[in-house]
Amino acid sequence: ETGVTQTPRHLVMGMTNKKSLKCEQHLGHNAMYWYKQSAKKPLELMFVYNFKEQTENNSVPSRFSPECPNSSHLFLHLHTLQPEDSALYLCASTLFQDSNTGELFFGEGSRLTVL
Amino acid sequence: SQQGEEDPQALSIQEGENATMNCSYKTSINNLQWYRQNSGRGLVHLILIRSNEREKHSGRLRVTLDTSKKSSSLLITASRAADTASYFCATALYNQGGKLIFGQGTELSVKP
Repeated sequence: ETGVTQTPRHLVMGMTNKKSLKCEQHLGHNAMYWYKQSAKKPLELMFVYNFKEQTENNSVPSRFSPECPNSSHLFLHLHTLQPEDSALYLCASTLFQDSNTGELFFGEGSRLTVL
Repeated sequence: SQQGEEDPQALSIQEGENATMNCSYKTSINNLQWYRQNSGRGLVHLILIRSNEREKHSGRLRVTLDTSKKSSSLLITASRAADTASYFCATALYNQGGKLIFGQGTELSVKP
């Protein structure tokens, strides 16, 4: 148990559906991340939020829409996804201070399957 | 190619042996971190080494960092079957607002 909770753990959706992934941490961290992990590929950084402000959007298609309403919650809204978007989506958080990135605490991930 | 590249991609050893994994990177970093991932699970942080440090220990783990060669190594001593997992290095880029970039990982298999 890392203190970072992701829901749902598994999600199956059609290409025309709209769904959201949720991430929650109560560790007092001020930075939150979304990563995508596909089979046989390295973790891909998608989005970074520092103090609720998006500081990184790693050329992610607009069918993925992040939302960070406060420093404890992070969402990833999904719509009109493609089968190649099927992957494990990992949320993480950390304490970012003095321009230094500390250790990341990861959730268990949301396994997404797009049919 | 990647900011972080690791080798070997896969490593198979017997219990009790040491395992060494290497990581190379391209740009200036604030720190370098190592993580472990069991199949289908989230990643777990193992150790962080700052750019001004050369070596760090934590239990059976020893990490080295050579900023002149832009490389790091993770040594697991006296390995156990429970160490079987994927291991990733991650670089915290200098002046990049919290960006942490992961390598492709090394799959370690420790046979009893």
